[in-house]
Amino acid sequence: AQSVTQLDSQVPVFEEAPVELRCNYSSSVSVYLFWYVQYPNQGLQLLLKYLSGSTLVKGINGFEAEFNKSQTSFHLRKPSVHISDTAEYFCAVSDGRGGADGLTFGKGTHLIIQP
Amino acid sequence: KAGVTQTPRYLIKTRGQQVTLSCSPISGHRSVSWYQQTPGQGLQFLFEYFSETQRNKGNFPGRFSGRQFSNSRSEMNVSTLELGDSALYLCASSRRDNVYSYEQYFGPGTRLTVT
Repeated sequence: AQSVTQLDSQVPVFEEAPVELRCNYSSSVSVYLFWYVQYPNQGLQLLLKYLSGSTLVKGINGFEAEFNKSQTSFHLRKPSVHISDTAEYFCAVSDGRGGADGLTFGKGTHLIIQP
Repeated sequence: KAGVTQTPRYLIKTRGQQVTLSCSPISGHRSVSWYQQTPGQGLQFLFEYFSETQRNKGNFPGRFSGRQFSNSRSEMNVSTLELGDSALYLCASSRRDNVYSYEQYFGPGTRLTVT
């Protein structure tokens, strides 16, 4: 079985400051990792994914994440946030067996951008 | 390309009733997965359908069921509704034809309220 831990339920950041949202996972098999964003009253939008290859992956809206296998982490970063980045962010993992158990999500991190 | 659509967007039902939710995947996507999102439990995987067959199932009671049609559209049914079934139900589609194409794209969700 796999699990995802998002260490912060809420992260307040000033506009134009950098931000890091932390995600750790546990799994007995190789995994694929994802970050999704959810704006109020909307579904989830894929920000970026790690399937294989380079451990630094770049996504939409200026976000990037780094896969660290030894630390079982997949932290999300953005060098300069904008007020429009206020949303809920979810880290998710899918196992290497083709996602037989679906996506397992963390509890989410609410990113709050302060002007 | 049109995204994942879900109908209805909002639904109010009474305890004991049953409900059917509908999901139309992105054109060309053959896999449809369903998730339940609640404030307490977060995002939880319900089941996945691929080529009209249930491929995977999460840890939910038998009151939750689904099906997929030949055009890949999917329906989810919940019988004998309980207050705890109040949630946002999200549908996600993916191509699922190889490991590089099974990131999931989510619809806007159906907000179900059970009174």
